[in-house]
Amino acid sequence: DQQVKQNSPSLSVQEGRISILNCDYTNSMFDYFLWYKKYPAEGPTFLISISSIKDKNEDGRFTVFLNKSAKHLSLHIVPSQPGDSAVYFCAANRDDKIIFGKGTRLHILP
Amino acid sequence: KAGVTQTPRYLIKTRGQQVTLSCSPISGHRSVSWYQQTPGQGLQFLFEYFSETQRNKGNFPGRFSGRQFSNSRSEMNVSTLELGDSALYLCASSTGRRDGYTFGSGTRLTVV
Repeated sequence: DQQVKQNSPSLSVQEGRISILNCDYTNSMFDYFLWYKKYPAEGPTFLISISSIKDKNEDGRFTVFLNKSAKHLSLHIVPSQPGDSAVYFCAANRDDKIIFGKGTRLHILP
Repeated sequence: KAGVTQTPRYLIKTRGQQVTLSCSPISGHRSVSWYQQTPGQGLQFLFEYFSETQRNKGNFPGRFSGRQFSNSRSEMNVSTLELGDSALYLCASSTGRRDGYTFGSGTRLTVV
């Protein structure tokens, strides 16, 4: 039973445009959400997070939106840059346990 | 400041063998978590250790086990290896803050 779902395995976006990565979760007990970015041959690196008491968190080019009623969160990257090409993992946290989605591979096109 | 160190980086084993992977967390981090990454399943949680005690466990068979030492270093052991165990095994250490997880570069295990 997959509690964190990233339904798009891959996404291609033109450089300079907005990238939107989506994530759905099933467990309403999750109270903290995170996005990680992963390059090949490296471990995931923390990108941005949001608490369930908020609906938006912004950090530079990265914004995460949380819709609790829909159990949905999204990561917006604007403007997209070539270095953003990577696999992005959505994760949900509860009680010191982090559950990851399967990831979305983002390709930034020149 | 040194990051999370995982050894070895690459490993090839044959079916039926056992393997031990090592993870040295960031100094001062007392929590260590292990994840398995495969192309079809993403990052799957194996277990988490805090102060030498297993605090959380994922849905993996008993062939997967781990431990943590008093210096917070952790080892993961997989016995009776199967082809399906081929994966990237990632270790993360944490300050205890929810956004404080730092991952190592992983150990790529190939079972032949």
